[in-house]
Amino acid sequence: EDQVTQSPEALRLQEGESSSLNCSYTVSGLRGLFWYRQDPGKGPEFLFTLYSAGEEKEKERLKATLTKKESFLHITAPKPEDSATYLCAVQEGTGGFKTIFGAGTRLFVKA
Amino acid sequence: DGGITQSPKYLFRKEGQNVTLSCEQNLNHDAMYWYRQDPGQGLRLIYYSQIVNDFQKGDIAEGYSVSREKKESFPLTVTSAQKNPTAFYLCASSHPGLAGADEQFFGPGTRLTVL
Repeated sequence: EDQVTQSPEALRLQEGESSSLNCSYTVSGLRGLFWYRQDPGKGPEFLFTLYSAGEEKEKERLKATLTKKESFLHITAPKPEDSATYLCAVQEGTGGFKTIFGAGTRLFVKA
Repeated sequence: DGGITQSPKYLFRKEGQNVTLSCEQNLNHDAMYWYRQDPGQGLRLIYYSQIVNDFQKGDIAEGYSVSREKKESFPLTVTSAQKNPTAFYLCASSHPGLAGADEQFFGPGTRLTVL
């Protein structure tokens, strides 16, 4: 069964303390892996698409990487404004190209 | 400004009532989606539409209905048959990315509460 698991469920960091969020997946063929940021009470905001193992993408303090079984979202020197829930989603590459979302990691960055 | 709008932002429903959530996009995307988000769970797909006048059930379609009469609009009706409708509802639209993956872009959401 296709599945996306994110860990940890919640992460508390001090400002400037770098860390990584994990997204592990099992899917029948990978069409793409997506990262989103979601602030409380708002819709998810698109961050990155990764297509194949070894690919990396960066945006400000965020860097996403992809292997054959998981993706990491690295946060370098986070600031309080990086506090949000980060969602990972995987689009399968066979059948109906369904997109499956993980439950998210809630990130809290304290000043 | 291109984007997706959802209305209302907050909606209260009495038991036994049907309510309709609005979703409009001006991104010229062919595909549109409705998701339900509950605390601690991933987004769950209710319905999706890949083209005007066509739509398919997602994983949790029972108690919901949709229409797609225009490319820009994909309203969701929550019927009285939906037993636990209190949730945050998200509408999305998508286009194929450069390498073929369908990146979805989301509206701001509607929070539905059953009184």
